[in-house]
Amino acid sequence: EAGVVQSPRYKIIEKKQPVAFWCNPISGHNTLYWYRQNLGQGPELLIRYENEEAVDDSQLPKDRFSAERLKGVDSTLKIQPAELGDSAVYLCASSLDGPTILFGPGTRLTVL
Amino acid sequence: GEDVEQSLFLSVREGDSSVINCTYTDSSSTYLYWYKQEPGAGLQLLTYIFSNMDMKQDQRLTVLLNKKDKHLSLRIADTQTGDSAIYFCAESNSNYQLIWGAGTKLIIKP
Repeated sequence: EAGVVQSPRYKIIEKKQPVAFWCNPISGHNTLYWYRQNLGQGPELLIRYENEEAVDDSQLPKDRFSAERLKGVDSTLKIQPAELGDSAVYLCASSLDGPTILFGPGTRLTVL
Repeated sequence: GEDVEQSLFLSVREGDSSVINCTYTDSSSTYLYWYKQEPGAGLQLLTYIFSNMDMKQDQRLTVLLNKKDKHLSLRIADTQTGDSAIYFCAESNSNYQLIWGAGTKLIIKP
């Protein structure tokens, strides 16, 4: 069974540019998470979806970040415009109605 | 608010047992997790324990939970070089909202 797929794996952009990350969760997983992980820290939740519905987006900086999961499967996380402080690893995870939360490899974003 | 704390580093000799410790503050935690992260990689779920259990064993891994002291530990028997990684402790509520520690870097000495 394929795991959580994310692309791109790496992205380097200049500040003020837009950037988008894509996630394909494990087949059949209804819950999808986006996390941000800064160097030397644990992940912090940005947004959690149950199917198409964003059920927890309290930590998403809504002035510049947006996310969507239109058909309850794939998801896209966007930053516009990016700032230097957005440099981090963006992790996608998924689960099926339970405690087994599985992560993708992440996208490492560098903002110059 | 809720908090999860771990030591930043642990150094052990190859073949010895590693014990990574974690403390948390939320007494209503439902699940407690251990994840492993190798350099440049995502988070690999090692194991989790339900809060009404006090021990879980899976091959070389043993998880101990002391709910009274809010203390969780991960023991890795016969530590190998491939166990070198950062180990994250996390707790969740009944909605699987995870609160994470900062991770413990496990260093293996030959």
